[in-house]
Amino acid sequence: DGGITQSPKYLFRKEGQNVTLSCEQNLNHDAMYWYRQDPGQGLRLIYYSQIVNDFQKGDIAEGYSVSREKKESFPLTVTSAQKNPTAFYLCATIEEGSTDTQYFGPGTRLTVL
Amino acid sequence: GQNIDQPTEMTATEGAIVQINCTYQTSGFNGLFWYQQHAGEAPTFLSYNVLDGLEEKGRFSSFLSRSKGYSYLLLKELQMKDSASYLCAVRDPSNSGGYQKVTFGTGTKLQVIP
Repeated sequence: DGGITQSPKYLFRKEGQNVTLSCEQNLNHDAMYWYRQDPGQGLRLIYYSQIVNDFQKGDIAEGYSVSREKKESFPLTVTSAQKNPTAFYLCATIEEGSTDTQYFGPGTRLTVL
Repeated sequence: GQNIDQPTEMTATEGAIVQINCTYQTSGFNGLFWYQQHAGEAPTFLSYNVLDGLEEKGRFSSFLSRSKGYSYLLLKELQMKDSASYLCAVRDPSNSGGYQKVTFGTGTKLQVIP
């Protein structure tokens, strides 16, 4: 089955701890994205990567870090510097073509206690 | 800058038709997407418009007017499972670096009632 997986679905951490969210895809897509979703707000772009070993900051990158060592994987680390880390995190890839439609993973709901 | 407006909530009756509007003001425009998102789940792609007019896909249709910065999503023969949030998103090609940024609206939460 082709798709995007994110694990775990729910994640709890204590304040001050770093946490890494995984995103894996077997769609052979080059571009991958991380979004954050909060109640009453649209999806906001954290980081994106258009190709292996390259990534760019999005609109709200402060307190986050990423790596892109493999085409299939784009993990996101939420560091202790992120002031309000509790949110729903979505990973997406793009099917390159005329529409560049984004497809999303199932998401990880992070709660920092 | 980018600004996308959608109504926050709507309620409609099972079997009826509902229209969800989206207006946008963006630096550039290279397409508009509609996504459906059930509570606690990921958004799923519904439609894409880049030219003016109506695109029909089963019970769902999407309309675009670029001159007015306006789109709507039309849902016919509403079913209870259509209760979800509907996200409007605009692709803006004006960003340097080769990345075409997609800006999302805050979404319209649709409740379908019996």
